[in-house]
Amino acid sequence: ETGVTQTPRHLVMGMTNKKSLKCEQHLGHNAMYWYKQSAKKPLELMFVYSLEERVENNSVPSRFSPECPNSSHLFLHLHTLQPEDSALYLCASSHWGIGGYTFGSGTRLTVV
Amino acid sequence: AQKVTQAQTEISVVEKEDVTLDCVYETRDTTYYLFWYKQPPSGELVFLIRRNSFDEQNEISGRYSWNFQKSTSSFNFTITASQVVDSAVYFCALSEAVKTSYDKVIFGPGTSLSVIP
Repeated sequence: ETGVTQTPRHLVMGMTNKKSLKCEQHLGHNAMYWYKQSAKKPLELMFVYSLEERVENNSVPSRFSPECPNSSHLFLHLHTLQPEDSALYLCASSHWGIGGYTFGSGTRLTVV
Repeated sequence: AQKVTQAQTEISVVEKEDVTLDCVYETRDTTYYLFWYKQPPSGELVFLIRRNSFDEQNEISGRYSWNFQKSTSSFNFTITASQVVDSAVYFCALSEAVKTSYDKVIFGPGTSLSVIP
């Protein structure tokens, strides 16, 4: 399988639940990213991992916890979310800052 | 600071019409990259083009063409003979030249294009 794969595609969770989003890339890229896309808002960069180290964390609430166990996998652990966290969460990867991302299909998250 | 502006929030055209999506950017870097991405209703952002700041040649790919003008800091995207499948949100984006091992891409707010049959 090639490209960037995100699972699940859709997720509905209660505010007290704990869930995880998964992202996997088979492109040999060295950097991976989490973006949040809310309705009527610009794409928001949440986290950046380069060579498995977190290099950016853009003031994201602690109820979002990323994990990058190796260069091909990226997780976003979710706990005690709020309804305003409902959004499309996009994973992306890039190769040595060459320029440009490859995106996954996203996970549509609804918090009830 | 870097910034990307897409002044057109929503555009509707009738099928087979040509349409131009505007993009204006701001950067202090002399070397940078510009991009266009397409986001269909399925959600995935699809890469369309990357342009280096040193290359001002216009590019054409089938029905798509891009006009890069440094003098006006614009990178406009034209779809010729639009089709219903072109209906999507289109994002213009900018990243500075490689200084690190990862990219910092700044996205515009997007333009939602509806092509009416």
